[in-house]
Amino acid sequence: GAVVSQHPSWVICKSGTSVKIECRSLDFQATTMFWYRQFPKQSLMLMATSNEGSKATYEQGVEKDKFLINHASLTLSTLTVTSAHPEDSSFYICSASGLAGSYSGANVLTFGAGSRLTVL
Amino acid sequence: GQQLNQSPQSMFIQEGEDVSMNCTSSSIFNTWLWYKQDPGEGPVLLIALYKAGELTSNGRLTAQFGITRKDSFLNISASIPSDVGIYFCAGSFTNAGKSTFGDGTTLTVKP
Repeated sequence: GAVVSQHPSWVICKSGTSVKIECRSLDFQATTMFWYRQFPKQSLMLMATSNEGSKATYEQGVEKDKFLINHASLTLSTLTVTSAHPEDSSFYICSASGLAGSYSGANVLTFGAGSRLTVL
Repeated sequence: GQQLNQSPQSMFIQEGEDVSMNCTSSSIFNTWLWYKQDPGEGPVLLIALYKAGELTSNGRLTAQFGITRKDSFLNISASIPSDVGIYFCAGSFTNAGKSTFGDGTTLTVKP
């Protein structure tokens, strides 16, 4: 089945630094990837839609200059949290749209394992 | 925008009991998805539904795509301790994969 790898799984950084999170589709091509943010005991909040070869589409209220998204190839999207602050601490999850096991729908999402960001 | 109401918010059940949770939407979807998330992990797909009225099973799990295309339910039969986790429904209208998620149902199973 489809596998999405997300790295790093956790990161601790100092306030003011930038952190890059990678999302890779290992066995399929993902023209579209999605980035979510999840607070404890809450649902997934879509941050942006990442399209290969074009600019990401951000959801309302998400700062484009704060959360930089690059989707340079059909298997890799990156999220860079720039000048991170403690309020950016969260669980960030990516997903890719594509084939998933026996399912043939293009709108089935396969998720990465998430990245826990802690900003000190 | 589209909103999903997922209920119940949490459930505490005894091992062996059956579980039912559902999602309703203010607008129609052409795909309903059910995911399970374990602590510190990303959601894992359980069942995908593509047609109104579709009833699909995956082991002890059964899910249905409502006739009106505005609702879906997930049943878990004979629950076991490893069923513990957060279950999310998600609805999608396009083929691009963008989904709207419910708020989740937290399931606790007592041995």
